[in-house]
Amino acid sequence: NAGVTQTPKFQVLKTGQSMTLQCAQDMNHEYMSWYRQDPGMGLRLIHYSVGAGITDQGEVPNGYNVSRSTTEDFPLRLLSAAPSQTSVYFCASSSGALTGELFFGEGSRLTVL
Amino acid sequence: GESVGLHLPTLSVQEGDNSIINCAYSNSASDYFIWYKQESGKGPQFIIDIRSNMDKRQGQRVTVLLNKTVKHLSLQIAATQPGDSAVYFCAENIGYKLSFGAGTTVTVRA
Repeated sequence: NAGVTQTPKFQVLKTGQSMTLQCAQDMNHEYMSWYRQDPGMGLRLIHYSVGAGITDQGEVPNGYNVSRSTTEDFPLRLLSAAPSQTSVYFCASSSGALTGELFFGEGSRLTVL
Repeated sequence: GESVGLHLPTLSVQEGDNSIINCAYSNSASDYFIWYKQESGKGPQFIIDIRSNMDKRQGQRVTVLLNKTVKHLSLQIAATQPGDSAVYFCAENIGYKLSFGAGTTVTVRA
């Protein structure tokens, strides 16, 4: 049982490049979400999904797209990377949308030059 | 903006002592709070949660207290150990969204 798996762990991009951060969970969780964490700040919600085919915006959605075609996967896409998107990104899942017990991945550190 | 906030960004504790981490929230309608622990280089890990119909909840070596009158909650760690060194976040569940505070870094002194 791997839990929540994020890839890649590290990535360096140039401004304007696009990329996808992958997130997969093997716990059959309905709820999945993406957060970004910047120094000295808590985690900020980017997008979330309450089930396959359903996504919604969080606190800081601009510059990011998501999709949820399967229960297991919830990729985060950066269409045109900007230096302001340099951050550590965490994917999380839970058994339901109204539980606060999230299971987090190990994080993906993204640097945009 | 942030709906939950921690009182102190850092806390230094002697090994074996009790730790108290405080958090304030602004929305009097908030009814569900969660504490997370994040070790260096890892994702946050759930510690304990509490709903507004409770004032206190206990787990293994941890206790969360909720004071709805002053909109304050705290996490108490008994007999702090070196493995408790981490960043601790309080979070508020608002519908389908979890809103995190900025975090308190706890350092345990030997």
